[in-house]
Amino acid sequence: DGGITQSPKYLFRKEGQNVTLSCEQNLNHDAMYWYRQDPGQGLRLIYYSQIVNDFQKGDIAEGYSVSREKKESFPLTVTSAQKNPTAFYLCATAIGALVPHRDLGNTEAFFGQGTRLTVV
Amino acid sequence: AQSVTQLDSHVSVSEGTPVLLRCNYSSSYSPSLFWYVQHPNKGLQLLLKYTSAATLVKGINGFEAEFKKSETSFHLTKPSAHMSDAAEYFCVVSVAPSNTGKLIFGQGTTLQVKP
Repeated sequence: DGGITQSPKYLFRKEGQNVTLSCEQNLNHDAMYWYRQDPGQGLRLIYYSQIVNDFQKGDIAEGYSVSREKKESFPLTVTSAQKNPTAFYLCATAIGALVPHRDLGNTEAFFGQGTRLTVV
Repeated sequence: AQSVTQLDSHVSVSEGTPVLLRCNYSSSYSPSLFWYVQHPNKGLQLLLKYTSAATLVKGINGFEAEFKKSETSFHLTKPSAHMSDAAEYFCVVSVAPSNTGKLIFGQGTTLQVKP
């Protein structure tokens, strides 16, 4: 059963702690993305990766870190430097730029079910 | 630079009546546009996408959208709302040059369907 798995579904963090959100995919997609969703603000891009061992900052990368050691996995760490981490986090994948002659302009993204992080 | 604006943060309709969710975009290139739906505490599901093949795009669950270049709009419509359509809807534009797969999301429109 192909898809994107985010875990855990709910996560509670104490102030000052780092936490890591998991995102695993078996779609064989090259590109992976992390978005943050806050009420009334749509989705904002945190980090994205087009290929293993490479990733780029999105629009709101401060206080977050990622790694891409395997094609299937793109974990997101929310560090203590992120001052307002309570949010809904969504991982997404897309086929990616490595597909020859592919115009990514019409490439849709596939989303996981999300992780709701709450600071307590 | 690309941007997308959803003109209504909240839309309320009665079951069986038409749905109109409005979206305007700004793009320096020929855009690719998408509509996604999100049910509470769930991920996003693609409803439909415009990729320059046809200006009227049909999607899942009876939704469709029309790309109007002169109006820079990509409004989502459905002839008859169902209770199960109640959700949040996002209009999305693909960043160009389109070699990154990055997407820009609108603020979202919450659709309420009354019995």
